[in-house]
Amino acid sequence: GEDVEQSLFLSVREGDSSVINCTYTDSSSTYLYWYKQEPGAGLQLLTYIFSNMDMKQDQRLTVLLNKKDKHLSLRIADTQTGDSAIYFCAEEGAGTALIFGKGTTLSVSS
Amino acid sequence: NAGVTQTPKFQVLKTGQSMTLQCAQDMNHEYMSWYRQDPGMGLRLIHYSVGAGITDQGEVPNGYNVSRSTTEDFPLRLLSAAPSQTSVYFCASSYSFRQITEAFFGQGTRLTVV
Repeated sequence: GEDVEQSLFLSVREGDSSVINCTYTDSSSTYLYWYKQEPGAGLQLLTYIFSNMDMKQDQRLTVLLNKKDKHLSLRIADTQTGDSAIYFCAEEGAGTALIFGKGTTLSVSS
Repeated sequence: NAGVTQTPKFQVLKTGQSMTLQCAQDMNHEYMSWYRQDPGMGLRLIHYSVGAGITDQGEVPNGYNVSRSTTEDFPLRLLSAAPSQTSVYFCASSYSFRQITEAFFGQGTRLTVV
């Protein structure tokens, strides 16, 4: 069945790079997604990558995709305290519903 | 645009009570879904709908009913609440453009069943 796995916690210092990893199972997903959830709020789309791409860069964000290993990562350069949140990777499920991982809580200390 | 509006924001129920969580969107999205979020479990899909009149079960549908009589509304019904349904519930509406699916989430409903 479909399953998306992530490590649950990551702690970094302000200014460092953060790397959040994810493995997924559904190789038919056309796009893979990263969502961000700030405290007390719903999720918001952060970025996405087409499944035929290896890398996508968007300002401080770099998404790497290893399709062979079904491994997705999100790198945040120059991490700020405002980046503290829960980050979810997601693959496409049935009827365009998304299948989310358990989320990685990123804690940024100054 | 209000986006996705969920009501209520907080609710406490007694075991066995029923209630409906409301979800409305004004973006004319065809796709809507309900998730529950529990600590260490991430978001799990309860039910989803690909359009008015069409609903289907997700990963954890037991104990919940949905209907989709209009494009805008997608209520989630708990027929007989149980403590295991204590959770934060998120409604999302989605659209696909050139195969990219972007989901817009409501603010969530925090439900406690005692």
